Amino acid sequence: DIQMTQSPSSVSASVGDRVNITCRASQGISRWLAWYQQKPGKAPKLLIYAASALQSGVPSRFSGSGSVTDFTLTISSLQPEDFATYYCQQANSFPYTFGQGTKLEIK
Amino acid sequence: EVQLVESGGGLVHPGGSLRLSCVASGFAFSSYWMNWVRQSPGKGLEWVANIKRDGSDKDYVDSVKGRFTISRDNAKNSLYLQMNSLRAEDTAVYYCASGELDFDFWGQGTLVTVSS
Repeated sequence: DIQMTQSPSSVSASVGDRVNITCRASQGISRWLAWYQQKPGKAPKLLIYAASALQSGVPSRFSGSGSVTDFTLTISSLQPEDFATYYCQQANSFPYTFGQGTKLEIK
Repeated sequence: EVQLVESGGGLVHPGGSLRLSCVASGFAFSSYWMNWVRQSPGKGLEWVANIKRDGSDKDYVDSVKGRFTISRDNAKNSLYLQMNSLRAEDTAVYYCASGELDFDFWGQGTLVTVSS
């Protein structure tokens, strides 16, 4: 199975900050990577697919980059509603696997 | 409006069975691959299984192979997960989600608790 490792596991930031979350795959996955946001008690929400494509309706402050094994989710200017847990997910091969999550907290 | 509504969760003893359902509305269900994804309490996400648009192709995570069966009824806009030989480690919120490579719509989830 492909292991997905996110860093950091948690991060504290302030409104207006720029935040980067990284995701590393244990083997090459081309650009078959998605990013999700999850708030407590809610289902995950798709933000980015195919490494850098913005899902419809997602604010443009969210962006994705990377390929093969190293990927980054960037939030350019944090808003209060962005404090949540973020997950990456590979779709290169079965079983699809997720990273362990990055909890973004208010500083 | 797209909606996915899961049901069928509950408390079951180890070794027991449960059948989850997910009813879809607001989109062309038969045109989408569908998935089950689970999340153990306080833990991360785990993809469980998926099924092709016409039900002809299915895949599972190794930990549920031979115990869980995914199926769908496109006439009823419904997705199912038959879970047999349940174990404590199957305790989780189970979400149905649409999409082949990434999951664009999700239900609210149904909690399955396996405990004696």
